[in-house]
Amino acid sequence: GAVVSQHPSRVICKSGTSVKIECRSLDFQATTMFWYRQFPKQSLMLMATSNEGSKATYEQGVEKDKFLINHASLTLSTLTVTSAHPEDSSFYICSARDLDRGNTEAFFGQGTRLTVV
Amino acid sequence: GNSVTQMEGPVTLSEEAFLTINCTYTATGYPSLFWYVQYPGEGLQLLLKATKADDKGSNKGFEATYRKETTSFHLEKGSVQVSDSAVYFCALISQAGTALIFGKGTTLSVSS
Repeated sequence: GAVVSQHPSRVICKSGTSVKIECRSLDFQATTMFWYRQFPKQSLMLMATSNEGSKATYEQGVEKDKFLINHASLTLSTLTVTSAHPEDSSFYICSARDLDRGNTEAFFGQGTRLTVV
Repeated sequence: GNSVTQMEGPVTLSEEAFLTINCTYTATGYPSLFWYVQYPGEGLQLLLKATKADDKGSNKGFEATYRKETTSFHLEKGSVQVSDSAVYFCALISQAGTALIFGKGTTLSVSS
């Protein structure tokens, strides 16, 4: 299957700083990327859907000014957690699909463990 | 709205036991159905999928059949191994949707 690379895999940051997480599709063009957040022992919560070249669509309850998403190219989407606080500590996972090819499968990155201290 | 319900875990089995993890869904139209697996500390990997009614997805000894009449997609494996210990997520993409909708996940623990 296609490969989605997410970086970094782990990051520890101080409260009040910003952290950027990158999600890259390595061997296909991802017209649509998704960002999920996973709490311990819980399912994945969809945060937002990003389409290349347009603004991301955020799910209800997700602060778009706090979780900045940029999908500047067909192979790269970034999630920036701004002014991070300890409650933002979580496992963030990106996913990508190539909808132009009608591919129903979603490919996932390895996830990023964010710890805010 | 669209949703996925899967049995709560944890599921604890001995090696070579039979596994069933139930999954039912609510969706309009004809969604595509998936099982993903997450090993500790890792992202999700697609385990199997089915895109239309009566399709059977299979991989690594795991199987699931898309049952439209019961809106189910139960995951089964005839003989589990210790290496199957992971969290299993049932998910769907609706006909009109773009993002996967996940169930809450079921933790499987297999002991030797």
